[in-house]
Amino acid sequence: AQSVAQPEDQVNVAEGNPLTVKCTYSVSGNPYLFWYVQYPNRGLQFLLKYITGDNLVKGSYGFEAEFNKSQTSFHLKKPSALVSDSALYFCAVKGQAGTALIFGKGTTLSVSS
Amino acid sequence: DTGVSQNPRHKITKRGQNVTFRCDPISEHNRLYWYRQTLGQGPEFLTYFQNEAQLEKSRLLSDRFSAERPKGSFSTLEIQRTEQGDSAMYLCASSLVGQGTIQYFGAGTRLSVL
Repeated sequence: AQSVAQPEDQVNVAEGNPLTVKCTYSVSGNPYLFWYVQYPNRGLQFLLKYITGDNLVKGSYGFEAEFNKSQTSFHLKKPSALVSDSALYFCAVKGQAGTALIFGKGTTLSVSS
Repeated sequence: DTGVSQNPRHKITKRGQNVTFRCDPISEHNRLYWYRQTLGQGPEFLTYFQNEAQLEKSRLLSDRFSAERPKGSFSTLEIQRTEQGDSAMYLCASSLVGQGTIQYFGAGTRLSVL
């Protein structure tokens, strides 16, 4: 069965420091991996995706993610956090045979000034 | 605004009543999805349409739930005889056809069943 795990409910970082939000997945075949961000009372906004190719994917707002096939991970990273990055982040996976996205439970990122 | 639009944004209803939500996808997108999100959880897939055809339904979609997408444009999600357990955020997303395509989400409809 397809699944996504986000092992941290909350990540706290200071503004200007690098941040990492972790994600591991389980899927049959090659995965399609996505990161979304959700602000209060708003829908999910797409950040970036990995389909194939370079393992380091760059996305919106300075975020990037590294695909690691051997560790089945797709961690979200940013070199320098901003207070405005504080939000709920979701990792999602889709298998080659699937259509629906399978989401993790989400990780709340809190960036302090 | 050319994004995914959902109405209403909030719905409060009494247990046993029927409710209907509407989703207007991005105009050129032929796939439309419904998800449900409860507090502390990620969105869970309910169903999806390609054009007007409903191609997949999750086991979460009980007989009380029905979705339509007439003419392959907007979609409606109806819940009959609502229960308190139906209280959730209902999210709609749309995309183009293709395995790697991005699903774009609306702001959601928050349902509260009293």
